[in-house]
Amino acid sequence: QVQLVESGGGLVKPGGSLRLSCAASGFTFSDYYLSWIRQAPGKGLEWVAYISSKSSHINYADSVKGRFTVSRDNAKNSLYLQMNSLRVEDTAVYFCAREVTYYNDGIEGTRVDPWGQGTLVTVSS
Amino acid sequence: SELTQDPAVSVALGQTVRITCQGDSLRSYYAGWYQQKPGQAPVLVIYGKNNRPSGIPDRFSGSSSGNTASLTITGAQAEDEADYYCNSRDSSGNHLGVFGTGTKVTVL
Repeated sequence: QVQLVESGGGLVKPGGSLRLSCAASGFTFSDYYLSWIRQAPGKGLEWVAYISSKSSHINYADSVKGRFTVSRDNAKNSLYLQMNSLRVEDTAVYFCAREVTYYNDGIEGTRVDPWGQGTLVTVSS
Repeated sequence: SELTQDPAVSVALGQTVRITCQGDSLRSYYAGWYQQKPGQAPVLVIYGKNNRPSGIPDRFSGSSSGNTASLTITGAQAEDEADYYCNSRDSSGNHLGVFGTGTKVTVL
């Protein structure tokens, strides 16, 4: 069974740091792009960061660039998100997810499946 | 780049509802559709031209035209009440994609 399980969320003060982890099982972890996606309370989904299968391609949303670092350890089937200089507006449920690029009739698309259950990060004084 | 969805729609039990997603990137890239129930992670229900992952009922279907992607639920069930989000690459093809604003579907 393909599964992603996040951990590491919690309460942190503004300016603090937190490291999220995501443990994968049920698929060949090193073959896939992975993403962190977050959802603020009562709000929509926001893509935070992605990392390619061999960590050669990484990108971040402008809202977290310079503060967050995504990494992976293919030997441990694990994905990480190091979050520094946290702000109140970073409060959200953080999901890790597997991403696949596909082509239908030569047109590219991306599907995100599966998602982890999410871990809540609360930034508050 | 943005993907715009209607905030909320309602449908009578057993009837058909269509949810739309508009954005420039949809002229170049397919959309994916995700169902999210309260307190749960999103679940992929449709991707590409009209593909359903294993386990997704065939009452869910997708289509696209120009800058608009659509998700149709034919014969809506009570368990289909949820938030639905579309996603795609952004207009520049950035691998970091973009999500739609979300649509709350209420089954009456």
